[in-house]
Amino acid sequence: AQSVSQHNHHVILSEAASLELGCNYSYGGTVNLFWYVQYPGQHLQLLLKYFSGDPLVKGIKGFEAEFIKSKFSFNLRKPSVQWSDTAEYFCAVNAGNTGKLIFGQGTTLQVKP
Amino acid sequence: DGGITQSPKYLFRKEGQNVTLSCEQNLNHDAMYWYRQDPGQGLRLIYYSQIVNDFQKGDIAEGYSVSREKKESFPLTVTSAQKNPTAFYLCASSISWGVEAFFGQGTRLTVV
Repeated sequence: AQSVSQHNHHVILSEAASLELGCNYSYGGTVNLFWYVQYPGQHLQLLLKYFSGDPLVKGIKGFEAEFIKSKFSFNLRKPSVQWSDTAEYFCAVNAGNTGKLIFGQGTTLQVKP
Repeated sequence: DGGITQSPKYLFRKEGQNVTLSCEQNLNHDAMYWYRQDPGQGLRLIYYSQIVNDFQKGDIAEGYSVSREKKESFPLTVTSAQKNPTAFYLCASSISWGVEAFFGQGTRLTVV
């Protein structure tokens, strides 16, 4: 069965620090990949997505992610975090033609001012 | 105003009672999803529907049921067979399967 694993459950950074959140999935075929963010008290929002093409994708608010097919990974990065980036981040995968959209366990990011 | 509406925002039920959570979308999306969100476990897929009159079990379907009689509606029933129903439930939709999903505000169900 397909699964998504986020290695960091809780990350604490100071403002201006660089961020990288790990995401690995288990599925050998074609995948569509997503990162979502859930700010406190708000609904889930799409940060970025990858379907095909350039494996380095850019999203909103300065976030980017790199798809490495050989490592089954789709890590999220941001060069310099802000206090307003404090939120929970979810990696999600849609595998092949299953129709299922599977999420990881989430990573809580706390940015200290 | 387009979007996904989940109602109610908070719901309380007594143990042993079935309860139905509403999810309506006016985005003309074909695919709809139900997730359960628990602390430290992320979002777990309960049921999903790729098209009207069709739905499939997700990873944790036991104790839940759904229907998809209309394109815009995908209600979730939490039955008395669900052993741990207290949770935050999220509904989502996407224009078709495989692409990005949009989420509602969620319903927090508490069973006492």
